[in-house]
Amino acid sequence: GNSVTQMEGPVTLSEEAFLTINCTYTATGYPSLFWYVQYPGEGLQLLLKATKADDKGSNKGFEATYRKETTSFHLEKGSVQVSDSAVYFCALSVAGNNRKLIWGLGTSLAVNP
Amino acid sequence: NAGVTQTPKFQVLKTGQSMTLQCAQDMNHEYMSWYRQDPGMGLRLIHYSVGAGITDQGEVPNGYNVSRSTTEDFPLRLLSAAPSQTSVYFCASQGANYGYTFGSGTRLTVV
Repeated sequence: GNSVTQMEGPVTLSEEAFLTINCTYTATGYPSLFWYVQYPGEGLQLLLKATKADDKGSNKGFEATYRKETTSFHLEKGSVQVSDSAVYFCALSVAGNNRKLIWGLGTSLAVNP
Repeated sequence: NAGVTQTPKFQVLKTGQSMTLQCAQDMNHEYMSWYRQDPGMGLRLIHYSVGAGITDQGEVPNGYNVSRSTTEDFPLRLLSAAPSQTSVYFCASQGANYGYTFGSGTRLTVV
């Protein structure tokens, strides 16, 4: 079946530190991969996506590369800010699955000044 | 352009009461869905719709009903509220590029 596994949080970093949040997946077929972010008290927002192997999604200084050989889509940012404190969700979508997203459990990030 | 609008933002119900969570989108998206978010359990799909007049069950449909009479609206009905339905509920619509747009959520407490 299709599934997404994210590293458990919470992750606590100091401002300007390097961030990696690991995400691996299992999927039938060729999934599209997504990272969503949820700021406190808000709904989820699409952060970035990649639709085929070796694609790199990027937005707001965050990046993730679709690695088919390791079935991974790790989220990275070179220098985090306090405003990046949020919960990050990895997700996948497989064509023909009624367009449903399969979600990871989320990783909470706290960035201290 | 409002995106996805959910009402109410907060609600307290007594056990056994019924209510409807409203969701409306103005992006002409065919696909809409309802999720609940609980600590440590991520997002769980309750019901979804691939277009007006078509709905289907997700992972946790028991105790909830939906209908989709128009493209814009996708209300979620709680038939007889139970404390286990205390949660944050999110409505989402999906565009052609598979990106989801979420509402800001409804925080429901059942006492």
